[in-house]
Amino acid sequence: RKEVEQDPGPFNVPEGATVAFNCTYSNSASQSFFWYRQDCRKEPKLLMSVYSSGNEDGRFTAQLNRASQYISLLIRDSKLSDSATYLCVVNPSGNTGKLIFGQGTTLQVKP
Amino acid sequence: DTGVSQDPRHKITKRGQNVTFRCDPISEHNRLYWYRQTLGQGPEFLTYFQNEAQLEKSRLLSDRFSAERPKGSFSTLEIQRTEQGDSAMYLCASSRGSLGEQYFGPGTRLTVT
Repeated sequence: RKEVEQDPGPFNVPEGATVAFNCTYSNSASQSFFWYRQDCRKEPKLLMSVYSSGNEDGRFTAQLNRASQYISLLIRDSKLSDSATYLCVVNPSGNTGKLIFGQGTTLQVKP
Repeated sequence: DTGVSQDPRHKITKRGQNVTFRCDPISEHNRLYWYRQTLGQGPEFLTYFQNEAQLEKSRLLSDRFSAERPKGSFSTLEIQRTEQGDSAMYLCASSRGSLGEQYFGPGTRLTVT
């Protein structure tokens, strides 16, 4: 079983749609959680951290359910520029800082 | 540009050759990480440094791979006797401490023919 699992998609949605991505992680002791965005042939960039209380950044909302070991990302009012791969990322230990990435979910927003 | 830089951006080599990649982290970052990414997959952790000390190596890092970070500044990743399975994007990231945001460099794309 992979440490972080995501549906690779692709998710094809029209502009303005709301889309949700989910991911599960296997290590219940994991310390911190993130969503990264990666454009084609570019490096990953931090989109947002994910907190237990849930957090929002503009059109993006992230949720964490530690009991179910489940992380989600909701994108409202999708823009063409949101087309990218979204990587669910877990830091299993606060000491090392190493990140465990999911496979990524590809989003294609169409006009 | 004060971000993470990597050199070269692309490397094509023949099987059996040695290659070396360089990463220059953000100057005040004491943590430096190497990851490898293959097509359709997320990045996989290889190794990390705190200052000049290499503190962890993934089992993905076979004995053909070696990484250094002399003086706690730039880092090099060397692959000896390259194999076709080494073809991937090699990403470097740096952070301030273990909980700081990791900033990634543009990567070195290695193709082994």
